[in-house]
Amino acid sequence: DAGVIQSPRHEVTEMGQEVTLRCKPISGHDYLFWYRQTMMRGLELLIYFNNNVPIDDSGMPEDRFSAKMPNASFSTLKIQPSEPRDSAVYFCASRKQGNQPQHFGDGTRLSIL
Amino acid sequence: QKEVEQDPGPLSVPEGAIVSLNCTYSNSAFQYFMWYRQYSRKGPELLMYTYSSGNKEDGRFTAQVDKSSKYISLFIRDSQPSDSATYLCAMSASSYGKLTFGQGTILTVHP
Repeated sequence: DAGVIQSPRHEVTEMGQEVTLRCKPISGHDYLFWYRQTMMRGLELLIYFNNNVPIDDSGMPEDRFSAKMPNASFSTLKIQPSEPRDSAVYFCASRKQGNQPQHFGDGTRLSIL
Repeated sequence: QKEVEQDPGPLSVPEGAIVSLNCTYSNSAFQYFMWYRQYSRKGPELLMYTYSSGNKEDGRFTAQVDKSSKYISLFIRDSQPSDSATYLCAMSASSYGKLTFGQGTILTVHP
């Protein structure tokens, strides 16, 4: 089975630009998570979905961040407008219902200049 | 104070050494405890998963949970250079809830 697939793997853009990160979860997984990882703050949960519905977005840093899951096989995390402090590695993870572990993608390394 | 505290290291050991990695936590509601391994430029991968207190062994890896002390450990026996990675502890209050991660410990095993 293919794992969690994220795109792009790397993104470099100038501040003020819109950034869209994409995630394809593992087929059959009911939960999808977006994380951000930095040296200073470690791995932080931004938002998670259950059956395409956002359940907890309390980790989303501010209104510039938004996430959608239009169907069971695709999710996006959008930053508009982007700022240099948004530079980080963004991970997507998914898991099945029940007492199941999360499986992570290899992340998108985002640099905002 | 963070809910989960983990010494970021870095930790450097010779091949064959026993490695001990630890996390403490403050939320007594946590019942599910995990260790993830993260290689450079890759996503975290699940290494060990335990529920409540006790020990769990898988090959060279042993996970221990002491809920009374709010302390969890991961032991790696006969460490290998391929074990060089960042190790993240994670925990949650329910099987369906969100995970709270530690900062991660950078481990290097040198030949």
